[in-house]
Amino acid sequence: EDKVVQSPLSLVVHEGDTVTLNCSYEVTNFRSLLWYKQEKKAPTFLFMLTSSGIEKKSGRLSSILDKKELFSILNITATQTGDSAVYLCAVEKGDMRFGAGTRLTVKP
Amino acid sequence: DTEVTQTPKHLVMGMTNKKSLKCEQHMGHRAMYWYKQKAKKPPELMFVYSYEKLSINESVPSRFSPECPNSSLLNLHLHALQPEDSALYLCAISQFNGNYEQYFGPGTRLTVT
Repeated sequence: EDKVVQSPLSLVVHEGDTVTLNCSYEVTNFRSLLWYKQEKKAPTFLFMLTSSGIEKKSGRLSSILDKKELFSILNITATQTGDSAVYLCAVEKGDMRFGAGTRLTVKP
Repeated sequence: DTEVTQTPKHLVMGMTNKKSLKCEQHMGHRAMYWYKQKAKKPPELMFVYSYEKLSINESVPSRFSPECPNSSLLNLHLHALQPEDSALYLCAISQFNGNYEQYFGPGTRLTVT
């Protein structure tokens, strides 16, 4: 059975901290791994990763995929209160399977 | 910006009602999706339309009936729902179905009484 597992499930940090969110997967017909940020409403797209070892960056956020070990990480440096959200990892395999998410709380 | 609009924003319906959710996009993306999201859970895929044809139905009960009348519109017809169907219903689009990022609409918050 396909699995997408995120850890930790929740995380509380202070502004300025760096965080690393993890996503491991076991799926058949893997095509890509995506990261989304969800605040109160719909998920907003962050990154799509298809190749191992190539880091994608957007401002303070970065992500990388390891297709051999079947995981991805999302890093957020110099966290801000506006980074507080649920971060969802999803694997695209013809359809999309989401992990349970990591709830990040950034305290002032 | 990728814009996906969904109406209504909120819907309250009784178990005997018939209602419809609407999703609209003008990006020319050819894949459209319906997801259901319960509180504190990730989105669960319900249906996938590719080029206006239903390509994936994730064993969704027949009280949910999707329709894609054209490349810009996606509907979800609701009939005889149960209280446990109360959730946030999200529409998403991607350029094509497959290895492309999906962009989500704001969702319709549905409450079944």
